[in-house]
Amino acid sequence: GQQVQQSPASLVLQEGENAELQCNFSSTATQLQWFYQSPGGSLVSLLSNPSGTKHTGRLTSTTVTKERRSSLHISSSQTTDSGTYLCAIDRNMGYKLTFGTGTSLLVDP
Amino acid sequence: ETAVFQTPNYHVTQVGNEVSFNCKQTLGHDTMYWYKQDSKKLLKIMFSYNNKQLIVNETVPRRFSPQSSDKAHLNLRIKSVEPEDSAVYLCASSKRRAGTEVFFGKGTRLTVV
Repeated sequence: GQQVQQSPASLVLQEGENAELQCNFSSTATQLQWFYQSPGGSLVSLLSNPSGTKHTGRLTSTTVTKERRSSLHISSSQTTDSGTYLCAIDRNMGYKLTFGTGTSLLVDP
Repeated sequence: ETAVFQTPNYHVTQVGNEVSFNCKQTLGHDTMYWYKQDSKKLLKIMFSYNNKQLIVNETVPRRFSPQSSDKAHLNLRIKSVEPEDSAVYLCASSKRRAGTEVFFGKGTRLTVV
């Protein structure tokens, strides 16, 4: 089965609302990374967070390693946040990321 | 500018042709990867190299062959492309260690007609 599962599959928000994205994984991970993929396709690393809580700008990620889950909170969403958010884990000491299927976010003005 | 650079951005070719994609990273990393993103947007590892050595080869058809001249370059050649090879190919790099962060290029979109 899918080793990395993300929910929800899609999300529609009004500008200014907050978003909570979930990532669950079925095996231990030495690394967990959140990525943003724009509609044009570029993949940008947002946060590297194998455990604990990390913040950058309007993004907060919390990873509970023992429970094999991570969340990405986007506060005060903007239309430019629209795109796909991907969670990926590494179980191989830096040789291989396994990606989830992503959450497609649409922020309406 | 330090980043992962891929060429070309797009490529359209006919079934049976050979194609090559180039990737260079200027981040000083020692590990490079090729990932494939299919029409359903699922990203899957194809190959990873550490210091020019092949480390991961994920059940990729033999018509795909990665080529690494040094740890900053990892090219991908596809001999005799097939329709199912249409996808976005993403190159990435990182420093090999636990908890490493992986950085991606902008991808090469291949269309096989």
